[in-house]
Amino acid sequence: SQKIEQNSEALNIQEGKTATLTCNYTNYSPAYLQWYRQDPGRGPVFLLLIRENEKEKRKERLKVTFDTTLKQSLFHITASQPADSATYLCALLSGGYNKLIFGAGTRLAVHP
Amino acid sequence: SQTIHQWPATLVQPVGSPLSLECTVEGTSNPNLYWYRQAAGRGLQLLFYSVGIGQISSEVPQNLSASRPQDRQFILSSKKLLLSDSGFYLCAWSAGLNSNQPQHFGDGTRLSIL
Repeated sequence: SQKIEQNSEALNIQEGKTATLTCNYTNYSPAYLQWYRQDPGRGPVFLLLIRENEKEKRKERLKVTFDTTLKQSLFHITASQPADSATYLCALLSGGYNKLIFGAGTRLAVHP
Repeated sequence: SQTIHQWPATLVQPVGSPLSLECTVEGTSNPNLYWYRQAAGRGLQLLFYSVGIGQISSEVPQNLSASRPQDRQFILSSKKLLLSDSGFYLCAWSAGLNSNQPQHFGDGTRLSIL
């Protein structure tokens, strides 16, 4: 079955730097991959979707890459701010009906 | 615009008691609906999904059940709660058009079993 790995250790960075989070998956390459942000005690919020035929996707300060050979996606936040502190989840399509498998997430802490 | 509501936000229940969590979606029709459970520091585990009224699919065997009595209403239930049912329960919806759709989540219910 499909398995997703995200770095379980928190990522601590200084304000203004670029944060890079990693999502690795095993087995088959999904048709697309999604990234979500989750704040404590809240539901995840969708950020970006990247398809298997797209190498890179951008949205404001966010950038996602998708390497189906390495079976890896990288999520970048440029010019990071303390407000970017949250847990970021990677999700892959799993079967029909738009079902998703989620990684456990990586917690990002941006320090002033 | 579309919105999703879950209630209650927090619930404390004794072991053996029944459970009913409700989720409603507004501003869309024929959504796919999902119930997840999230243990502390863990990923989201898909419990149930529904593609239409009365159509429920279970992903994992457990002490819970789900129902969809109306197009935009999704209910998670249990007849007798177990300690292991504690967790953070999230409802989500996605457009039922095709599989390239994001999911949109409610703010969850924190369930504690005593």
